[in-house]
Amino acid sequence: EAGVTQFPSHSVIEKGQTVTLRCDPISGHDNLYWYRRVMGKEIKFLLHFVKESKQDESGMPNNRFLAERTGGTYSTLKVQPAELEDSGVYFCASSHLFPIQEGRRNEQFFGPGTRLTVL
Amino acid sequence: AQTVTQSQPEMSVQEAETVTLSCTYDTSESDYYLFWYKQPPSRQMILVIRQEAYKQQNATENRFSVNFQKAAKSFSLKISDSQLGDAAMYFCAYRRKGAQKLVFGQGTRLTINP
Repeated sequence: EAGVTQFPSHSVIEKGQTVTLRCDPISGHDNLYWYRRVMGKEIKFLLHFVKESKQDESGMPNNRFLAERTGGTYSTLKVQPAELEDSGVYFCASSHLFPIQEGRRNEQFFGPGTRLTVL
Repeated sequence: AQTVTQSQPEMSVQEAETVTLSCTYDTSESDYYLFWYKQPPSRQMILVIRQEAYKQQNATENRFSVNFQKAAKSFSLKISDSQLGDAAMYFCAYRRKGAQKLVFGQGTRLTINP
């Protein structure tokens, strides 16, 4: 099966501009997660969707970040306006909703990430 | 709040040798999962190995094994017979049972010397 894909792979923008990152999860995965790694630090959880609903958005840093998952398929993460401290690698991951019951592996599958640089 | 610490930003090992990556964590929970993820350069992060806290037996996956010390809250990864393809950033992660989000450490960059 195709893996998690993210677009773009790299984005360089000026402070104050808007950027939208996209994530396409593995087909059939109802769970979708966004994580972020700021330079040299740990990967931090941003939020979790179950289908189109936000299950946990406790990691979202502030209201400049808006995540959507209309229709429960792909997700977008918009940063508006971008600040210097938003630079980092944004990872998306997906997983089955009931992996054990379905006899599937209970793990999150990650995309390659989007490297965002804010100048 | 749970935290995960990887105290080795970089490690290197000679090809075919064994290397151990360290990870400690802090939690007040008794039931949880621990993971090691591998991210090769410019590639997707993949799960290497997982450990369930209630299992005393250390998990193994081919050349990869863990040393899980629950009382000490330590979860190290041992890579035996290191291969060039093992070169990657390795992340240790924690997930509380019943929760979805992963809590990661800072990562260890592993270099394999031919």
